[in-house]
Amino acid sequence: DTAVSQTPKYLVTQMGNDKSIKCEQNLGHDTMYWYKQDSKKFLKIMFSYNNKELIINETVPNRFSPKSPDKAHLNLHINSLELGDSAVYFCASSQAASGRGEFFGPGTRLTVL
Amino acid sequence: DAKTTQPPSMDCAEGRAANLPCNHSTISGNEYVYWYRQIHSQGPQYIIHGLKNNETNEMASLIITEDRKSSTLILPHATLRDTAVYYCIGVPLRGGADGLTFGKGTHLIIQP
Repeated sequence: DTAVSQTPKYLVTQMGNDKSIKCEQNLGHDTMYWYKQDSKKFLKIMFSYNNKELIINETVPNRFSPKSPDKAHLNLHINSLELGDSAVYFCASSQAASGRGEFFGPGTRLTVL
Repeated sequence: DAKTTQPPSMDCAEGRAANLPCNHSTISGNEYVYWYRQIHSQGPQYIIHGLKNNETNEMASLIITEDRKSSTLILPHATLRDTAVYYCIGVPLRGGADGLTFGKGTHLIIQP
């Protein structure tokens, strides 16, 4: 009965490769997010998306793109991976005006060699 | 979003109340104060939020000063499992899909 799930949990890949991280939420929320947590543990919003708009943090390279096949999924695609992309990526979801905050997934640790 | 200031770390003895302060002197009248925590190697977890009044739920209590420039998160009987990084975040009332702006938080260490 996991609320927000991510796959894979660990991802090790070579520079230059293209990879995807999947996220699913079964809470019926209308908004989903991707966050990046770097080696210094800073958590930063990358994208937020509902069925009306995509909000992109201007610091995110355009090699990163979110794709939402339906309301319950927001996948993260990364092209031409670089060493600096190594981090833990968290997916989250929320329901507007619910006041219950965002629910986070367990994270995906990406290591680029 | 309001910028918040928290001490980088705190210790608390197991079984005691842990009081975590947060200064948010630039918070506006249309921003909630939200608290999250991140236990090692896990995703952040929502704890509690408030606007003006003090709030309590099954996890914690939140005390907000009358001028709303600061708040205190209280874990009434801290356990070892409460060791985590705690984040105080200003969140607009209007909702929307802006996401959260995390600061550095407070690393709370519960001592046995």
